[in-house]
Order: sequence, then C-alpha cells, then structure tokens
Amino acid sequence: QVQLQESGPGLVKPSQTLSLTCTVSGGSISSGGYYWSWIRQHPGKGLEWIGYIYYSGGTYYNPSLKSRITMSVDTSKNQFSLKLSSVTAADTAVYYCARDPYGGNSYFDYWGQGTLVTVSS
Amino acid sequence: QSVLTQPPSVSGAPGQRVTISCTGSSSNIGAGYNVHWYQQLPGTAPKLLIYANNNRPSGVPDRFSGSKSGISASLAITGLQAEDEADYYCQSYDSSPIGSTWVFGGGTMLTVL
Repeated sequence: QVQLQESGPGLVKPSQTLSLTCTVSGGSISSGGYYWSWIRQHPGKGLEWIGYIYYSGGTYYNPSLKSRITMSVDTSKNQFSLKLSSVTAADTAVYYCARDPYGGNSYFDYWGQGTLVTVSS
Repeated sequence: QSVLTQPPSVSGAPGQRVTISCTGSSSNIGAGYNVHWYQQLPGTAPKLLIYANNNRPSGVPDRFSGSKSGISASLAITGLQAEDEADYYCQSYDSSPIGSTWVFGGGTMLTVL
C-alpha cells in the first residue's frame, strides 16, 4: 500500500519561501510510471493543482503559479519537494502531495494526509 | 472561482438516492477528458471514489456510480448512509491556450438527514 506524508513548516512569513517535502513509502518513486503532484486546498474552499514532478526530474507547473514554483525529487530518499516563493496570505492552505498514475487526462489515486501552511508575520 | 461547477450542497434521507452534478466547458469535460470524483470526510484528505467517468477503485461500494454527457458529469449515490456525509469533488483535465491543468469543482457538501 502506497503512503505519502507531507512535512515542513506550518508557518511562513509573507514574502518568504514555502518549502514542503513529501515522503513516499510502500513504493519507489524511481520505478517510474507515476507523476507526483502537489495540490492545495484553501480554508473552506476547493482544490487547486499546483504541479507535478516525474522521477526523472521532469516537471510541469500550473501556469497561474509557474513563476513562483520549483519542484525537485530525491529518489535516494524516495521524496519529492515543493518550493513556493514570495508567499502571501493567499497562499495559506492545506497542501497535499498525491500520485497520478498516468499524467495528463488522469486522476490522483493516493494522497498524503495534508499539512496546513499559514502565511503570517 | 472553480473551473468545474458543482452545487454547494445536497441532502437526502437514509436509503434515498442523491445525485451531484459537475458542469464544465468545451476545454475540459466537453473536450472529452475524463471526470473523476473524490470523497472528503471532515479533517481528512480526498479519497478517490470514481475514476474515468464511471469506474470504482477496489473497495468503493457499488452504491456509488458516475456518468458523463456533453460538458457535464454526475455522481449518484444510492441507498444513502450516514457515513456518506462528506464533501464531494469532481476533477478533470483542462486544455487551453495558456496551458493544461488538472481542474477541480468547488465541492458539494452532502448532508444525510
């Protein structure tokens, strides 16, 4: 059974960089075939896809956030990471990591439990 | 403002059938992209409920079913149970001139009366 777990600071100051890591267990990122995504949920609201990274390091980001996003993967630790720069209060949300088995016209079959990140001074 | 439109809430009594609609446009559902559904219980992560319009992952009861037509899709829940009280989200893929993204509905809160 694949499991994902987010980790990182729960509080980030405005204008700083939000950094989160997702640790995958029960399966290897380097086995390929899967796309590893970040998705966020603003308080009391819907879901927003942020971007994905492939085991090879290839990335694709949401065009609306692209200028502020950097994703990376560490196959030796079975982890992938998100950095979101120049954060504002509008970036306050629960951040989820999730697995997409196909990319493109596809879905998210495994999710982490989510981590709340609050942007505040 | 979500790309896919869902009713904010629906309700039904135990044992009844309810449906949740999801309306998109010609750049997502209407373009032939699949629709997927998630169930989110309070304080938990979304869980895949229906994938590729009408397929259930292993372990999801057959009380849950999905359909798609034109620019819309629907999730039906029959034999409503108290444990079905949750938020439900539809998801698809959107392709536009500025780029392609995975898109979600705003969510529908299901209340079991």
